[in-house]
Amino acid sequence: KAGVTQTPRYLIKTRGQQVTLSCSPISGHRSVSWYQQTPGQGLQFLFEYFSETQRNKGNFPGRFSGRQFSNSRSEMNVSTLELGDSALYLCASSSWTGGGGYTFGSGTRLTVV
Amino acid sequence: DQQVKQNSPSLSVQEGRISILNCDYTNSMFDYFLWYKKYPAEGPTFLISISSIKDKNEDGRFTVFLNKSAKHLSLHIVPSQPGDSAVYFCAASWGGGGSEKLVFGKGTKLTVNP
Repeated sequence: KAGVTQTPRYLIKTRGQQVTLSCSPISGHRSVSWYQQTPGQGLQFLFEYFSETQRNKGNFPGRFSGRQFSNSRSEMNVSTLELGDSALYLCASSSWTGGGGYTFGSGTRLTVV
Repeated sequence: DQQVKQNSPSLSVQEGRISILNCDYTNSMFDYFLWYKKYPAEGPTFLISISSIKDKNEDGRFTVFLNKSAKHLSLHIVPSQPGDSAVYFCAASWGGGGSEKLVFGKGTKLTVNP
């Protein structure tokens, strides 16, 4: 069974640019969540999608957005990149059949220069 | 306001001994708690979870204890192995586990020395 796939693994962007990250969940998982990991803040929740609808949103500015497609694949977009957006962006999928928690992808390491 | 706190950023133990990782939370609405393990350059891996209706859950060498009155949970690893060296994150959710939002602590880096 394939895991959660995130592309690309590494990305370098310039301040002011925008970026799109992709996540393919485990087959059959309809919930996809995004998290930002930084050394100082740990893992912080960005948003969660279920059946193409955003169900939950964290405390991030509107520059951070996402969407989910009918096949449950998800993308997140960050516009007008700032240096502070440099982080590991993690995607997780879940079926929530109970007790199993989320399965995370390996993440996309974004560096803003 | 940090709702899930892991006050020890690091912990070092000898191989074969017990590792105890601690986590405190402030939101009494949390009803599901999880531990994740993370190696560098990889995503977190689910380890073990516990529902708020229980006070203990065991899976092999890993046991999670929940003290609701103290809003405290701990992860015990017995015996500790060098391969357990990683960052451990405590996480919590509410809504019977159906709410797809996890609140994470900042992690504890465990080092198990041979």
